Amino acid sequence: DTGVSQNPRHKITKRGQNVTFRCDPISEHNRLYWYRQTLGQGPEFLTYFQNEAQLEKSRLLSDRFSAERPKGSFSTLEIQRTEQGDSAMYLCASSPRAGFDTIYFGEGSWLTVV
Amino acid sequence: GESVGLHLPTLSVQEGDNSIINCAYSNSASDYFIWYKQESGKGPQFIIDIRSNMDKRQGQRVTVLLNKTVKHLSLQIAATQPGDSAVYFCAENWGSSYKLIFGSGTRLLVRP
Repeated sequence: DTGVSQNPRHKITKRGQNVTFRCDPISEHNRLYWYRQTLGQGPEFLTYFQNEAQLEKSRLLSDRFSAERPKGSFSTLEIQRTEQGDSAMYLCASSPRAGFDTIYFGEGSWLTVV
Repeated sequence: GESVGLHLPTLSVQEGDNSIINCAYSNSASDYFIWYKQESGKGPQFIIDIRSNMDKRQGQRVTVLLNKTVKHLSLQIAATQPGDSAVYFCAENWGSSYKLIFGSGTRLLVRP
């Protein structure tokens, strides 16, 4: 499978715990994105990396959220002190190069905070 | 997985008929548009894209039409099949921004 890979696919955690999601983009894609999607809504942009540099962050990304892409390949999204409002699907996407280009999404990581 | 789009507008079509899904986008400066298909519990799947210097683009069984005057985008699916049943989102992008802005989605139901 050469698509965007995300894991874990499902995570149930207690409120206050930390969780981390991993994304492996399509090989040689230098652009990587994180989005969040709640029930009944379209995906909402969280953050964007070009190689290892985080170039844009949404206001949705509170201080409890941190994303990294240390070697310009895979990325992690960590949520600290989770809240019930964090329950959502976290989507990773990648695209190959600068300018307009198709953005391909992974299958998402479902987070349920209880 | 859980379902997305529990309270979305729904288009119900007979198998074999053509489907037209509409989208009103928000920013007159948007210059790139994508249609995605999302099945229950899965991530969005790319269908077709179009740039603002075009008003029509065709793919396999799909056509996207862009009307910049009224900021309207449509996706036409020919000979709709049961496998086309999903939620469809349009997304827009403009200028130097890297992010896609998604519309609210339409659920397509294909009746056998």
